[in-house]
Amino acid sequence: QQPVQSPQAVILREGEDAVINCSSSKALYSVHWYRQKHGEAPVFLMILLKGGEQKGHDKISASFNEKKQQSSLYLTASQLSYSGTYFCGTEGGMDDKIIFGKGTRLHILP
Amino acid sequence: GAGVSQSPRYKVTKRGQDVALRCDPISGHVSLYWYRQALGQGPEFLTYFNYEAQQDKSGLPNDRFSAERPEGSISTLTIQRTEQRDSAMYRCASSLPYNEQFFGPGTRLTVL
Repeated sequence: QQPVQSPQAVILREGEDAVINCSSSKALYSVHWYRQKHGEAPVFLMILLKGGEQKGHDKISASFNEKKQQSSLYLTASQLSYSGTYFCGTEGGMDDKIIFGKGTRLHILP
Repeated sequence: GAGVSQSPRYKVTKRGQDVALRCDPISGHVSLYWYRQALGQGPEFLTYFNYEAQQDKSGLPNDRFSAERPEGSISTLTIQRTEQRDSAMYRCASSLPYNEQFFGPGTRLTVL
């Protein structure tokens, strides 16, 4: 079951904040966040694990609500370099495959 | 250090031909994953390996698709009797156990 991301696209001015949401219809073990720029490979941002352990990325934070099977990615004081497509990927168990959402396209204007 | 590499970067083939796509993971990475990514979409899981063992192949679309990783390092994704609908970007990724995945640059496959 593919996770659902919202919004599908966001346009911001540099310095504004953004929140990207990811929700799943099944219980989750972990949520992974990646950013992909046009023509490039996805790049890891963050993993959020069941139980609260979190690995982070400078200036970007995230939350994981296990009960609601939801995660949110927070980008504060956005920079031009934040532009790209953000994907969440969900795992149902420790050794499970990652299922990626359709992505959220973020465009930062100067 | 070197990242994940894939070859060829671009492959154009005629319908009905077989193709082999190669992935060279980061040295020491136990897990290797294959994905297919359509334009504007997220990576779609195909299969993954821990060492040489194929752990999950539930994402392979049909029996024309197969993958191997015989020595626990380099992996090959083979598509037999290619069809136009197989055209896509094929990406592999590697990781340490339960850690972030590092994606390769992908192979852009076009089936004419």
